[in-house]
Amino acid sequence: QVQLVQSATEVKKPGASVTVSCKASGYNFTSYGVSWVRQAPGQGLEWMGWISAYNGNIKYAQNLQGRVTMTTDTSTSTAYMELRSLRSDDTAVYYCARNQGMDVWGQGTTVTVSS
Amino acid sequence: DIQMTQSPSTLSASVGDRVTITCRASQSISVWLAWYQQKPGKAPKLLIYQASRLENGVPSRFSGSGSGTEFTLTISSLQPDDFATYYCQQYNTFPSTFGPGTKVDVK
Repeated sequence: QVQLVQSATEVKKPGASVTVSCKASGYNFTSYGVSWVRQAPGQGLEWMGWISAYNGNIKYAQNLQGRVTMTTDTSTSTAYMELRSLRSDDTAVYYCARNQGMDVWGQGTTVTVSS
Repeated sequence: DIQMTQSPSTLSASVGDRVTITCRASQSISVWLAWYQQKPGKAPKLLIYQASRLENGVPSRFSGSGSGTEFTLTISSLQPDDFATYYCQQYNTFPSTFGPGTKVDVK
């Protein structure tokens, strides 16, 4: 079946970096893009960016420009999201999803930033 | 950026009620709008895409309508499994943006 499986929970100190992976299965990875969304505790959904798995075209949210990098590895059908210079307000559940209208979601990766 | 608003922010309803949630965009997004349902501790689930297209496997009591700047999600007869938070999302223009959410709870 079509699914996205994300990497495990992360705990980081302020200023560190985190990389979340998202492994796709059950469909042709390069036929779709991957969106990244995060949700801080008790808050709504925040769009972080989108990457085309076909040609690597990328769009980032303005407020994350310079701190975030999204990539894909088509040989393993995996998307990655790296967030640098972590702050306490980056504490959130991070989701990957297929497409811009997000029809398949990963299970979420909790990232906690705390000293 | 396109701003998305939703009303109401909270909706108290009973099983069997007809429920309508409204989503408005700050500028025209044609039909490039999706609706999601989210339950606590779970990933969002796509219900409706392109404003009115029902995602495979989603019960037919869910429907979406609208175009341009005003959209609605309707649940024709609320079921116990439908108590959740609902988000709209525009994907007409980057950056994509979500509405703040509507929580449907028990009256």
